[in-house]
Amino acid sequence: DAGVTQSPTHLIKTRGQHVTLRCSPISGHKSVSWYQQVLGQGPQFIFQYYEKEERGRGNFPDRFSARQFPNYSSELNVNALLLGDSALYLCASSWDSRNQPQHFGDGTRLSIL
Amino acid sequence: QQQVKQSPQSLIVQKGGISIINCAYENTAFDYFPWYQQFPGKGPALLIAIRPDVSEKKEGRFTISFNKSAKQFSLHIMDSQPGDSATYFCAASNPPRLTFGEGTQLTVNP
Repeated sequence: DAGVTQSPTHLIKTRGQHVTLRCSPISGHKSVSWYQQVLGQGPQFIFQYYEKEERGRGNFPDRFSARQFPNYSSELNVNALLLGDSALYLCASSWDSRNQPQHFGDGTRLSIL
Repeated sequence: QQQVKQSPQSLIVQKGGISIINCAYENTAFDYFPWYQQFPGKGPALLIAIRPDVSEKKEGRFTISFNKSAKQFSLHIMDSQPGDSATYFCAASNPPRLTFGEGTQLTVNP
């Protein structure tokens, strides 16, 4: 069975640009969460979406937004990119809204020049 | 209160030895405590998890010990192997979010 898949694997952008990252959850999983992992640190929670609704949000600015589609896949959008947005963006999926357990994809490595 | 503190930052163990990583938390609303293993260039992979009504859980060479009164939990890797060399993260769940520790870089020497 396929795990959580994310695309693209790597992305290079410049400051001020916009980026869209995509995630497909494990088949049957209805919850998708997004995390940001800066080099050398643990992942930080950005959003959870369940049944196409935002169910949780971490301490990230409004430049970060997301949505979930009827097939439970998800997109993370980041506007007005800053150098500090350079990180590994991880998507995790789970069966339900309690998000226990969460299974992660391999992430999208975003570099801002 | 949402923090999870993890130690040590790095750990070097000989093949066949026991690796021990510790975590502490403050928020009593946390109700699920997973450990993840992460290799370079990969996402975190779920290793083992425990709920606070259980004091110990063992799966193969991996054991979680949980002390609810001290708000501490630890991962023990028995018979550590070079293939176990990776970064390990403890985490705590207050649904729907996971709060991660800072990670422990484990090196197992042959």
